[in-house]
Amino acid sequence: DAGVTQSPTHLIKTRGQQVTLRCSPKSGHDTVSWYQQALGQGPQFIFQYYEEEERQRGNFPDRFSGHQFPNYSSELNVNALLLGDSALYLCASKRGPRGYTFGSGTRLTVV
Amino acid sequence: GDSVTQMEGPVTLSEEAFLTINCTYTATGYPSLFWYVQYPGEGLQLLLKATKADDKGSNKGFEATYRKETTSFHLEKGSVQVSDSAVYFCALSPMNNAGNMLTFGGGTRLMVKP
Repeated sequence: DAGVTQSPTHLIKTRGQQVTLRCSPKSGHDTVSWYQQALGQGPQFIFQYYEEEERQRGNFPDRFSGHQFPNYSSELNVNALLLGDSALYLCASKRGPRGYTFGSGTRLTVV
Repeated sequence: GDSVTQMEGPVTLSEEAFLTINCTYTATGYPSLFWYVQYPGEGLQLLLKATKADDKGSNKGFEATYRKETTSFHLEKGSVQVSDSAVYFCALSPMNNAGNMLTFGGGTRLMVKP
């Protein structure tokens, strides 16, 4: 049983560009959350999607947006990239009150 | 707002030593508390959790007790192994938060030497 799958695993972007990260939740899970983990720090909550709608949002600017598809997979989009957006982006999925399962993340480097 | 504070690392121990990683939190009411572990190049794995005061979470020899009076959730293990080397994160989820949004501490790196 595959867990949470994220793609790509690594990518490098230039300041000002846009990026899309993808997440396939664990089988049976319907809720997806995204976290940003800067180097040497704990993850910070970006937003959560359920039933194709954003349900909760952390303290991130509108440059960060997302989408959830009918098959529960999700995308994280970041516009106008800044050097400070360089981080590991983690996707986590769950179903109902059960705890989250995390993916291995996408390492984004902005140069 | 809610916050989690962990002891700074790295924590370096010899194999079979006793481990304590301190964690304190600030939150309203009775949040759920968690310890996650992150091995190099991997995502986060749930290690243990506790959902109410005085609960003890345990897994793989690790334990943590939810102490409301001291707002703490310290992680302990009686005898660490080299394979326990990883980064450990304490986290909370606010009460009455159906989405179970997690607030994490900054992480503590544990290095166990043979």
